[in-house]
Amino acid sequence: AQTVTQSQPEMSVQEAETVTLSCTYDTSESDYYLFWYKQPPSRQMILVIRQEAYKQQNATENRFSVNFQKAAKSFSLKISDSQLGDAAMYFCAYRSADPAPLGALRFGAGTRLTVKP
Amino acid sequence: DVKVTQSSRYLVKRTGEKVFLECVQDMDHENMFWYRQDPGLGLRLIYFSYDVKMKEKGDIPEGYSVSREKKERFSLILESASTNQTSMYLCASSFGVRGQPQHFGDGTRLSIL
Repeated sequence: AQTVTQSQPEMSVQEAETVTLSCTYDTSESDYYLFWYKQPPSRQMILVIRQEAYKQQNATENRFSVNFQKAAKSFSLKISDSQLGDAAMYFCAYRSADPAPLGALRFGAGTRLTVKP
Repeated sequence: DVKVTQSSRYLVKRTGEKVFLECVQDMDHENMFWYRQDPGLGLRLIYFSYDVKMKEKGDIPEGYSVSREKKERFSLILESASTNQTSMYLCASSFGVRGQPQHFGDGTRLSIL
């Protein structure tokens, strides 16, 4: 079974600075998807960014970008120009491209990000 | 915007009770999921469904069952609630196409006394 590891239970960053959240995963599959979700205090899980394993180019969404290292099975999230609204729990998630179990995600334990004004 | 609605944000029940958690999505998604979220463990899959009346066990199905009588509604049932089922429960849905992201509800914080 695939496992996802987030080794940083907590991180903090100064407003306007850059922070990187780490994620590693274990899989024997070659085709899969990786996601970063954000969960603010409101509890709504929000998709931040998605990466397809067969694409070598790192995904980017505005201030959020990933460093996807397939051989190292690493998928880190970089947040640039951090804002107070970025404070949340961040989850890394893996999803097999195999149909079964269809669409189910495997999550890491999460990293709580604090943004200091 | 996709809307996934969970019937309760907070719920308090007693041990031994039968508990129903309801989830409704408005995007005609084929797939629906129930996760349990605990500190330090992330989210773990309880059950999922890829069609009406179809269900599959996830990683931690013991003590739970599910029902999907209509495409938009997926219910999680705690047959006889126990204190170790105190947790946050999250429902999600997605299209049945590879690569599609899941959309989550706001979660139900369930306390079993």
